[in-house]
Amino acid sequence: GAVVSQHPSWVICKSGTSVKIECRSLDFQATTMFWYRQFPKQSLMLMATSNEGSKATYEQGVEKDKFLINHASLTLSTLTVTSAHPEDSSFYICSARRGAGDVNEQFFGPGTRLTVL
Amino acid sequence: GQNIDQPTEMTATEGAIVQINCTYQTSGFNGLFWYQQHAGEAPTFLSYNVLDGLEEKGRFSSFLSRSKGYSYLLLKELQMKDSASYLCAPMDSNYQLIWGAGTKLIIKP
Repeated sequence: GAVVSQHPSWVICKSGTSVKIECRSLDFQATTMFWYRQFPKQSLMLMATSNEGSKATYEQGVEKDKFLINHASLTLSTLTVTSAHPEDSSFYICSARRGAGDVNEQFFGPGTRLTVL
Repeated sequence: GQNIDQPTEMTATEGAIVQINCTYQTSGFNGLFWYQQHAGEAPTFLSYNVLDGLEEKGRFSSFLSRSKGYSYLLLKELQMKDSASYLCAPMDSNYQLIWGAGTKLIIKP
């Protein structure tokens, strides 16, 4: 159990376009989902935390108008990179956490590799 | 501030044992996770410690000392597939994981 999927696995887009990444918890309800970004040979960087039905909490330095997060249901969160630029090229990973009473473990999706030309 | 300190890279021989150390400083503490991350892939869960002591799970064991802000991951009977980065991630008072750059483990035959 506790499987998280992401779609797409990889995407190549032109500069200026928007890209939507989906994160789904397949066999559990995720009260909280996290979005991370990871550049090569660097640590995971938390971008934002989203709770179902409420606005996402963004980390300092992350533009909320550029990285739109929607957590519309207990099994789905989406990240939209608006007007993408080459510097947004990165590995985007989501994770999901079950509700209270769990060990607080985060289950990670397989990641989405974004390349902006 | 919050920070994680792990060796950047370690090398070990197939069949041997390796210990990856981690020291941390966090605002509050709600346990510590170890994750494995192969190149180009997302992290996968290895272990979770919230109380002091050793947790053993097959070839992998994890130790925690809360008073020292210290943890280690012990890998036994190393296999080539264990070549990966190992991430020590304590959880702070807000239940957020704090990530370092991890330790890249290279296994040689």
